[in-house]
Parts: sequence; structure tokens; C-alpha cells
Amino acid sequence: NAGVTQTPKFQVLKTGQSMTLQCAQDMNHNSMYWYRQDPGMGLRLIYYSASEGTTDKGEVPNGYNVSRLNKREFSLRLESAAPSQTSVYFCASSGPAYRGTMNTEAFFGQGTRLTVV
Amino acid sequence: AQTVTQSQPEMSVQEAETVTLSCTYDTSENNYYLFWYKQPPSRQMILVIRQEAYKQQNATENRFSVNFQKAAKSFSLKISDSQLGDTAMYFCAFSETMDSNYQLIWGAGTKLIIKP
Repeated sequence: NAGVTQTPKFQVLKTGQSMTLQCAQDMNHNSMYWYRQDPGMGLRLIYYSASEGTTDKGEVPNGYNVSRLNKREFSLRLESAAPSQTSVYFCASSGPAYRGTMNTEAFFGQGTRLTVV
Repeated sequence: AQTVTQSQPEMSVQEAETVTLSCTYDTSENNYYLFWYKQPPSRQMILVIRQEAYKQQNATENRFSVNFQKAAKSFSLKISDSQLGDTAMYFCAFSETMDSNYQLIWGAGTKLIIKP
């Protein structure tokens, strides 16, 4: 099925452990994003990638690194997990946005529920 | 900086009733886009409806419609003939048109419960 695929769906980590969340899209989108969702706070942007080979910090980048491996894949890495990183993580992608044209909506993966104990 | 505010943390209505979810935003831009997303218990984010700021006509998608008041910076979602499957979190989101990237600014969400 076309769309955005995230793995894993659930993960429990101990404080200090590292892990990588994987994301892939098959819609030939240029832009990809990582968000975290916490209760009562909506979605907050961690990092985004406007195109293959570029990444930029979002609102809450501390404690995370990303890698845009190719046009399809955008991974999020936690080098040393902390309890404050317990959250639901969403990957999203969107088509190109050019000046004067209508922007497109974002397509989301199903999310990863991460618990850091 | 742009902000999006959803002032109703939770709402509950009977099946078949009409419900309106509110959203206000703050921006100094003249051209931008507004979205309503639905997040059911499956956690997947689903686009419900979108509105371009330069269009005066309110967007509609079947039972979903918006009341876009540009001067008031208000963007409410009306769900008519509500169904049990409409039970979900609803998020309002805002974005500007950008040359090479795209960022959504999100509200905190409204939990909508449709009761049988």
C-alpha cells in the first residue's frame, strides 16, 4: 500500500540506550518530517528534510539526530534515551512546495509509541 | 511566530447531532493554508479538510465544512450528522507557502466523542 511506513510501532528503552526509528515513503515526496506528540501539546516538529541530502532542526531537536538516507527514507536516532523522550513519534512526508502554488498536505505514518524507563 | 490555538480540550455530542470545533491562529502572513486532521485511536493522522487563505469560499467535504473568518483569524470545523466513527482527536494546523520546505504549526487538539 502506498504511503508512509514507520517501524517499530512500539518500543521500550532503558535510560541511556540508543535506537533508530525508521521511516520510508513511496510517494516520491521531496520533504519528510519527524514529529513527537505529547498529551495536550499537539504535534511538535523535531527535524525535517526539505530534500534528499538536507536536514534542518525543528522546534524540539535536542537529543535527536536524523539522516536522510535517500529520497525515500528518513531516520530518527536517539543516541542516549531519556525519560523526557517518552512520546509518540510520527514521520510524515509531503510533495514539493513552490512559491505561488498550493501547498500540499502531509501524509503520516501510523506512529511509534516509545517509552523510556 | 505563528501559533494555533484550540480552546476545547474535549467535546461530546449525541450521534446525528452537529458539532463545531474551534480553532484560532496568529500570523502576519496574507497567504497561507489551514487544515483539519483527524486522529482516531489507531493513531494515524488523516486529513479531513483544507482551506487556502486566498479563497473566500469555505471548503466543504461531505459532512465536514469549515467557517473561515480571515479577519478574525478563525477556522472552525463543523461536522454535520455526526457518526460514531467520527470519534477521534481533531487537530487544526497552519502552514505558509514556502519555496523549498514546508512546516505545519499544530494546535493541541480537541478530543471529540460521539455518543450512541
